[in-house]
Amino acid sequence: QKEVEQNSGPLSVPEGAIASLNCTYSDRVSQSFFWYRQYSGKSPELIMSIYSNGDKEDGRFTAQLNKASQYVSLLIRDSQPSDSATYLCAVNMGGGSQGNLIFGKGTKLSVKP
Amino acid sequence: DGGITQSPKYLFRKEGQNVTLSCEQNLNHDAMYWYRQDPGQGLRLIYYSQIVNDFQKGDIAEGYSVSREKKESFPLTVTSAQKNPTAFYLCASRDRDRNQPQHFGDGTRLSIL
Repeated sequence: QKEVEQNSGPLSVPEGAIASLNCTYSDRVSQSFFWYRQYSGKSPELIMSIYSNGDKEDGRFTAQLNKASQYVSLLIRDSQPSDSATYLCAVNMGGGSQGNLIFGKGTKLSVKP
Repeated sequence: DGGITQSPKYLFRKEGQNVTLSCEQNLNHDAMYWYRQDPGQGLRLIYYSQIVNDFQKGDIAEGYSVSREKKESFPLTVTSAQKNPTAFYLCASRDRDRNQPQHFGDGTRLSIL
């Protein structure tokens, strides 16, 4: 069974701090990795894509990928109350998956003013 | 504006009734997906389609049906056989490249009367 695991949280950080969200996946041949943000009652919104080992930065967001450890993370610098949401990790398992994504259950982030 | 349109936003189903959720995209995407999300749960794949006139069952297809007669449209029917249909239904689409991310519509919230 191919799986994506995330801590459900809630993860609570003070405004201005760095929020660190983690995700592990089970399939070594996974090829592409995504982070989505989902506000309560809304649909998921893509915030980061990462395909190769290392860091990828976009504004206050940094995605980190370590394929050897089967681990992907999302760092949010200078966290704002508007970042309070559930963050979903999604992995394209490759192989015969036909491009389907496996989603983690999400980590709920709360940024306190 | 390019995007994915789901309608209606809210839908109520009576006992023994079939209901159809609409999903239309003007992104010229090849692949389309239907997910179900229950409170505090991750996304579960119902059906997906990689090309017109072809679709495959996902992890929880029982009680649901789909069609893909046009590239732009992928309607989902929730049949009376689905005994617990109350959930948030999300439609997504993806470009031809299987490593590209999926993008989501705004969702339909289905409840039982």
